[in-house]
Amino acid sequence: QKEVEQDPGPLSVPEGAIVSLNCTYSNSAFQYFMWYRQYSRKGPELLMYTYSSGNKEDGRFTAQVDKSSKYISLFIRDSQPSDSATYLCAMILNTDKLIFGTGTRLQVFP
Amino acid sequence: EAGVAQSPRYKIIEKRQSVAFWCNPISGHATLYWYQQILGQGPKLLIQFQNNGVVDDSQLPKDRFSAERLKGVDSTLKIQPAKLEDSAVYLCASSSNRDTQYFGPGTRLTVL
Repeated sequence: QKEVEQDPGPLSVPEGAIVSLNCTYSNSAFQYFMWYRQYSRKGPELLMYTYSSGNKEDGRFTAQVDKSSKYISLFIRDSQPSDSATYLCAMILNTDKLIFGTGTRLQVFP
Repeated sequence: EAGVAQSPRYKIIEKRQSVAFWCNPISGHATLYWYQQILGQGPKLLIQFQNNGVVDDSQLPKDRFSAERLKGVDSTLKIQPAKLEDSAVYLCASSSNRDTQYFGPGTRLTVL
């Protein structure tokens, strides 16, 4: 079993839709949870960073962590074509070693 | 502030050849990471440096991969000899005080 599971997609939605991206994990010791966005031919860039259960909002993006279910989500409201990218969840134990999911490819069409 | 720089951006070699990648981290960042990202997968950490010392190289295939960070700034990752399964994007990242990691654009390696 992989430490972090993520549906690779692709996920295709119309502009303006609400997008839900999800990851599950097996190691209850993970303490920090991140979402990275990776455009084609670019390196990942950090979108959201949380360390506790609950919701964290930043503009159109909301990160949700449920430690009891070992489940994290990223919601994108009013999705735009510029949101088309691969979204990677990542987790950290008590060091700074990032464990990434496989990434979900998102396509937002006009 | 300049980001993480990597070169070359693309490299095509034949199996059993050697190849080297270069990374220049964000100025002042003490921690430097090399990741391997195979197509359709998330990045996997190969090696982590703190200044010029190795913190974690547990997933580096040491029979063929080597990395160094002389003077605690730039870093070089080498593969010798390359195998077909080494085809991937090699990402360099840096952080200050082992905080948020900033990634470079990566080097796309194709081994034929």
